[in-house]
Amino acid sequence: NAGVMQNPRHLVRRRGQEARLRCSPVKGHSHVYWYRQLPEEGLKFMVYLQKENIIDESGMPKERFSAEFPKEGPSILRIQQVVRGDSAAYFCASSPRGEGTEAFFGQGTRLTVV
Amino acid sequence: SQQGEEDPQALSIQEGENATMNCSYKTSINNLQWYRQNSGRGLVHLILIRSNEREKHSGRLRVTLDTSKKSSSLLITASRAADTASYFCATQGGGGADGLTFGKGTHLIIQP
Repeated sequence: NAGVMQNPRHLVRRRGQEARLRCSPVKGHSHVYWYRQLPEEGLKFMVYLQKENIIDESGMPKERFSAEFPKEGPSILRIQQVVRGDSAAYFCASSPRGEGTEAFFGQGTRLTVV
Repeated sequence: SQQGEEDPQALSIQEGENATMNCSYKTSINNLQWYRQNSGRGLVHLILIRSNEREKHSGRLRVTLDTSKKSSSLLITASRAADTASYFCATQGGGGADGLTFGKGTHLIIQP
C-alpha cells in the first residue's frame, strides 16, 4: 500500500532558515491538502491544491508560507524565515477527487525551530 | 496503516435525532481526536480527548473514551442538516509526538 509519503519525518531548522516539506500523494491522486498541528492541538487546515492549482489557501498564513503541487513531482510546503512558532507537525493528505472522497493522510513532518 | 476504525461506515438519520459513531483502535494512545470533513473540504477538528479522560463535551458533541476496550464514541445530539459530513477519528500515540492515524470515517447523512 503505497500511501501518502511525507519527508522528512523530522526537520530541525534554526530561526531564519527555510523549511521545505515534501508530500508525495497516493499514485493517481490529484488533490492534496496540507494541515498543521500545533502541540496539544488538533489539525488545522492550511491549503488545498489540485495539480498545478491552489484551490483554497484560506488557512495559510499570509506571509512566509507557500505551497505548490507541480505537474510532476511532490507537493511542497515552503516556510521561509522560520520562527519558533512554526514548530509543529505538518500533515499532508491526498484524495483522487476533491468532492466527498476519502482522504489518505501521511505520517507528517515534525518541524522543530531552534 | 490506519488504526482507527469507525463504525458504522455510513449512517442516515432524520433531522433532530441523535447520531452515534464509534471508533476502535489497536495500540496504546496519548489522545484520540474526532474530525469532520464536509464534501470537497479539508478536515475540521472537532474535539480531542486525552487517554486519561473518559468523557468530553463540546456544544452538541459528546465524546467518550474507554481505553480498556480501546474504543471511543462520538454523539451528536439534535442533528441538523448541516451536520451531514464524514466523521473521522484519529489516534495519536508516543506522548503526543507521533503522527496521527486516521480511520476511514463514517459518512453521516441527515435527512431534513
